[in-house]
Amino acid sequence: DGGITQSPKYLFRKEGQNVTLSCEQNLNHDAMYWYRQDPGQGLRLIYYSQIVNDFQKGDIAEGYSVSREKKESFPLTVTSAQKNPTAFYLCASSPWTGTDTQYFGPGTRLTVL
Amino acid sequence: AQSVTQLGSHVSVSEGALVLLRCNYSSSVPPYLFWYVQYPNQGLQLLLKYTTGATLVKGINGFEAEFKKSETSFHLTKPSAHMSDAAEYFCAVTPREGGAQKLVFGQGTRLTINP
Repeated sequence: DGGITQSPKYLFRKEGQNVTLSCEQNLNHDAMYWYRQDPGQGLRLIYYSQIVNDFQKGDIAEGYSVSREKKESFPLTVTSAQKNPTAFYLCASSPWTGTDTQYFGPGTRLTVL
Repeated sequence: AQSVTQLGSHVSVSEGALVLLRCNYSSSVPPYLFWYVQYPNQGLQLLLKYTTGATLVKGINGFEAEFKKSETSFHLTKPSAHMSDAAEYFCAVTPREGGAQKLVFGQGTRLTINP
């Protein structure tokens, strides 16, 4: 089945540690996205990538980093510089950024203790 | 800049009753419009979208939405609620010329179904 996978589903880390969230897609989509979801705030764009080896900051990129070495993979690193990292993180993809619909993965819930 | 307003962070209806979730957008040019559903601790699933053509759009699970340009609205409805409809619903817009990276979400409406 084609789709987007995110791992792990739940992640616990101590304050001050960097952590990397995985996102993989086998839809052959060019564009991939990372969102952060907090209660009552909808989804906010962290980073997006239109092609391999290229990515752009979204609305809340501070304290996060990404890489796009392969078309199917777009990992997100939450660094110790992110002041409030506890949240639900969603990865999405679309055929290319000129199209209208994004498809979402199941999400990773990160809790920083 | 575009924005999306969902009226009511929580909506509660009885099983079998009409579901109405409201969404208004602010944009000088009508955007593409979407409704997504999110079940607890899961990702978002596309319910329906409006890009062009007929303004009444039918989606999955018996939902539909009507684009009304004069009211800048894209309200989501379902004639008869089912217990399985309990979830959070997000309205989203993206400009016609800008591409998917400019998808803007509303704050979400949590739908509760009473037996």
